[in-house]
Amino acid sequence: DAGVTQSPTHLIKTRGQHVTLRCSPISGHKSVSWYQQVLGQGPQFIFQYYEKEERGRGNFPDRFSARQFPNYSSELNVNALLLGDSALYLCASSYSPGQEGEKLFFGSGTQLSVL
Amino acid sequence: LAKTTQPISMDSYEGQEVNITCSHNNIATNDYITWYQQFPSQGPRFIIQGYKTKVTNEVASLFIPADRKSSTLSLPRVSLSDTAVYYCLVGALNSGNTPLVFGKGTRLSVIA
Repeated sequence: DAGVTQSPTHLIKTRGQHVTLRCSPISGHKSVSWYQQVLGQGPQFIFQYYEKEERGRGNFPDRFSARQFPNYSSELNVNALLLGDSALYLCASSYSPGQEGEKLFFGSGTQLSVL
Repeated sequence: LAKTTQPISMDSYEGQEVNITCSHNNIATNDYITWYQQFPSQGPRFIIQGYKTKVTNEVASLFIPADRKSSTLSLPRVSLSDTAVYYCLVGALNSGNTPLVFGKGTRLSVIA
């Protein structure tokens, strides 16, 4: 079975540009969460989507947005990139958010470098 | 969500048992405890999950005392490949609106 897939794996952008990151969850999983991980820190929660609706949002500026499609895949968009947006962006899927004993399954991430 | 506290780092020799303790003093009745493992440039990987007492799988054991204010991840006979960052998370059962929050984790270094 395919795990969580993310694309692209690496990306280099310049300040002010826009970026779109993509995530395909495990088949049968309806919830997708996005995390940002800066080097040396734990993953920071950005968004959670379930059945195409936003279920949670972390402490990130409005430059960050996301959506979930009918096939449960998801996109994370970041506008007006800043140097501080350089990080590993992780997508995780689960069957249902807050489901008893919820387990997150993570992709390998997209490494974004903003120059 | 209950906040978790873990040691920043630990060292161990190959073949030893490693115990990483996580403190979650404000854990709620409907909270469960999950541990993840993360290697560099990879996403975290689920290790084990529990609500109370002891849980064991093919990778690790999780010990949770009766008051549930802490939990201990036990890795039997570690090898070099167990060098990673280990995260303890507390999440609400059947919440639906409460995302899982990661702390800084414990960096385990296994030495030959």
